[in-house]
Amino acid sequence: DVKVTQSSRYLVKRTGEKVFLECVQDMDHENMFWYRQDPGLGLRLIYFSYDVKMKEKGDIPEGYSVSREKKERFSLILESASTNQTSMYLCASSFTGNTIYFGEGSWLTVV
Amino acid sequence: AQSVTQLDSHVSVSEGTPVLLRCNYSSSYSPSLFWYVQHPNKGLQLLLKYTSAATLVKGINGFEAEFKKSETSFHLTKPSAHMSDAAEYFCVVRPTGAGGTSYGKLTFGQGTILTVHP
Repeated sequence: DVKVTQSSRYLVKRTGEKVFLECVQDMDHENMFWYRQDPGLGLRLIYFSYDVKMKEKGDIPEGYSVSREKKERFSLILESASTNQTSMYLCASSFTGNTIYFGEGSWLTVV
Repeated sequence: AQSVTQLDSHVSVSEGTPVLLRCNYSSSYSPSLFWYVQHPNKGLQLLLKYTSAATLVKGINGFEAEFKKSETSFHLTKPSAHMSDAAEYFCVVRPTGAGGTSYGKLTFGQGTILTVHP
C-alpha cells in the first residue's frame, strides 16, 4: 500500500514561531503537494514540487515556503506563524498522470 | 487555466435512496477528473477517476460518475445511499496533455457535504 505520512497530526504553536510540517511518501513519486483545507473554501494549493529541489507556487503561497532535498520528503515551512494560518494541512504525492495519494492531514492551531 | 464547480454545498438523502453530487469543470487541456471522499478528521480517499478511457467510470463503494464533455460535467452517483456514505466529497481536475509543471497541478471543488438520514 502507498503511504503518505504526515508526522505531526496535531500542533499548537504561538504567533511568530517557525513551524515545520513534514511529509514522507514511500512510492518514489516525482510530484508532491501541500494544501490547506478550510471550511467553505475546500482545498487550496500552497506549493507543489515536481522533482528534487524543484518547486512551484500554488494558489496561496504567501507566508509559506517549502523544501524538497530528497525525493521522498517534502516539508512545508511557516517562517513566522500567524493566527490566519490556523488550518488543516494536507500533503499528497503522485506519479505524473496517475493516482494522487493523500496523507491524513496535520491540524495546526496558531495562538 | 482550470476550475471546478460543485453545484451543491450540502446534499441530504434518506438511506436507500439515490445520490447525485454535481460537478462542472473547465480546463484548457483534456482533463483527468477525480472524485475523493473525506470522512471526519481523515485524509482524502480516492473514489474514482476518469483519464480519457470509458466515459462511465465505476469506483469503490458502489459509486460511479459519467464524463460528459459536451456539458463539461462529471457528476457522481450511487443508486442507494448507505449511512456510511455520509462524508464530504470533492471533485478534482488535473490537466493531461499539458507540458511543463502544470502537468502535476490539481484543482479542487469546494466540496459537497452528504448527509444520509435513516
